[in-house]
Amino acid sequence: DADVTQTPRNRITKTGKRIMLECSQTKGHDRMYWYRQDPGLGLRLIYYSFDVKDINKGEISDGYSVSRQAQAKFSLSLESAIPNQTALYFCATSDRLAGGREQFFGPGTRLTVL
Amino acid sequence: RKEVEQDPGPFNVPEGATVAFNCTYSNSASQSFFWYRQDCRKEPKLLMSVYSSGNEDGRFTAQLNRASQYISLLIRDSKLSDSATYLCAVNGAGGYQKVTFGTGTKLQVIP
Repeated sequence: DADVTQTPRNRITKTGKRIMLECSQTKGHDRMYWYRQDPGLGLRLIYYSFDVKDINKGEISDGYSVSRQAQAKFSLSLESAIPNQTALYFCATSDRLAGGREQFFGPGTRLTVL
Repeated sequence: RKEVEQDPGPFNVPEGATVAFNCTYSNSASQSFFWYRQDCRKEPKLLMSVYSSGNEDGRFTAQLNRASQYISLLIRDSKLSDSATYLCAVNGAGGYQKVTFGTGTKLQVIP
């Protein structure tokens, strides 16, 4: 029983399509993050949110948007997917009350843009 | 210079060996340090936090050297199940305390 879930787990799409990746958590954490992971580049932060009304850009936000629909839900959208957005995407959470430093990751979404 | 740097490896070691990884960071104001383990195609999971006084958990020992700005992870008596990629993570100073991950060091323990 995963505390942080992501849907879909795998997605193949075509250039120009709009894609939404969803993340839900049952950990009760206030902070949520979206990362992408590419070989040799590690984990890079796309967006983060400290609560429902707080959205912040990370280091590579261009081409992406997010929505924090509720404390437990944080979705990532690619408005017009392009091939260099092919990557492994992770959602993560952390708990402000615990210092907010340790991050708990979802299982990842493998996205391929053709 | 990258904020956080790791040797990508791979480190190929026989079972029972001791292996050590280092991770250097550039921001001297960094406050918190962690090691995560990531299995192939899986999510990273926290292995251990790194404290100024060092931290030991069974066969794993983590150390922090603030003067030289690096953290280390020592694995003793390596097991086949230790094969994975080890990511270091560093929290900066300031309001958000941004987490920066290293690119990871791959360990392969060989029978």
